[in-house]
Amino acid sequence: GENVEQHPSTLSVQEGDSAVIKCTYSDSASNYFPWYKQELGKGPQLIIDIRSNVGEKKDQRIAVTLNKTAKHFSLHITETQPEDSAVYFCAARANAGGTSYGKLTFGQGTILTVHP
Amino acid sequence: EAQVTQNPRYLITVTGKKLTVTCSQNMNHEYMSWYRQDPGLGLRQIYYSMNVEVTDKGDVPEGYKVSRKEKRNFPLILESPSPNQTSLYFCASSRRLAGGDSYEQYFGPGTRLTVT
Repeated sequence: GENVEQHPSTLSVQEGDSAVIKCTYSDSASNYFPWYKQELGKGPQLIIDIRSNVGEKKDQRIAVTLNKTAKHFSLHITETQPEDSAVYFCAARANAGGTSYGKLTFGQGTILTVHP
Repeated sequence: EAQVTQNPRYLITVTGKKLTVTCSQNMNHEYMSWYRQDPGLGLRQIYYSMNVEVTDKGDVPEGYKVSRKEKRNFPLILESPSPNQTSLYFCASSRRLAGGDSYEQYFGPGTRLTVT
């Protein structure tokens, strides 16, 4: 089955700096890669996603890059703010039986702390 | 308001006493799933459902059952809970957005289960 590794497990940055979180996956059939933000006491929230036919996707201060050959993808947050502090999860999903709703495998999570 | 609701939010029970955690969504999503979140392990998918009466195992299905008799509800059943099922559980629902590459996805607020 799919295995997703996420690094680092914790990341501390100063407000205004950039933050990068990296994930690798094992299943070459995976074709959908979402990123989630989880604030304390809440469920994860989808913040950005990318499909395997795209190398990069950007939404304001966040961007995701995908290297399908190397099987890794990264989340980039620029101009970080204290409210970006949360746990971030990457995930990977492969097609299953012709649908796009196959198994979703998550990374272990990264605790991001942005210091004012 | 679009939302996924879970009940109960907190539950303490004893080994072997059957329990059900309910999950309901009001967005007419086809796809629903259950995850458990444990420290250092991220979120692991227990079961998922692609539509009414269509369910499949995730990565950690042992000890759990699900049913999808209605589109809006996806209960998680623990027939004989054990202490190793002590965890934080999340229900999620999603649908693929027409004409795009993204998914509309929501997680519930979580259910913290303790089995003694």
